[in-house]
Amino acid sequence: DIQLTQSPSFLSASVGDTVTITCRASQGITSHLAWYQQKPGKVPKLLIYAASTLQDGVPSRFSGSGSGTEFILTIRSLQPEDFATYYCQQLNGFPLTFGGGTKVEIK
Amino acid sequence: EVQLVESGGGLVQPGGSLRLSCAASGFTFSNYWMTWVRQAPGKGLEWVASLNADGSVEHYVDSVKGRFTLFRDNNKNSLYLQMNSLRAEDTAVYYCAPGIVLTTTRAYLDYWGHGTLVTVSS
Repeated sequence: DIQLTQSPSFLSASVGDTVTITCRASQGITSHLAWYQQKPGKVPKLLIYAASTLQDGVPSRFSGSGSGTEFILTIRSLQPEDFATYYCQQLNGFPLTFGGGTKVEIK
Repeated sequence: EVQLVESGGGLVQPGGSLRLSCAASGFTFSNYWMTWVRQAPGKGLEWVASLNADGSVEHYVDSVKGRFTLFRDNNKNSLYLQMNSLRAEDTAVYYCAPGIVLTTTRAYLDYWGHGTLVTVSS
């Protein structure tokens, strides 16, 4: 099974900051990776798919990069509505797996 | 508008059974893989199972293999998860989602339902 390790698991940032979240896969998954945002009590929302493609309606301050085993989610000019938990998910093969999540909180 | 509505959750004793349903609308249900993802209270997301468009190919996480069965009725635009021999560790909100964001080789999940809570406890 492919394990996904997200880092950090928690980060504290201020409005306007640029933050990066890393997702490392235990084996190569080419670009078959998605990023989701989940706010408390809400449903996960797809932000990025195929490692770097922005889903329709997602603000351009979100971007994804990487391939193989290392992937990065970048949020530029953090906004109040961006404080949430972010998950990566690999779709290289079954069982599909999620990373453990990164909680982004207000400093 | 794409909508997914889960139902069927509730409180069940260890060893018991539940059948979850997911009613889909706003897209051509019969064209897409469907997936269940769960989230235990205060925990992260866990992929549970996926079923292809015609119901002929299914995949499960190891922890539910032999206990959970996924099936669909494309005439009713509905997905089901039959859960047997339930354990305390199955306690979670269960979400269904279609693999509706397509690339040439993969189907990514979007338009998740709001979930249904399954609590396994005596």
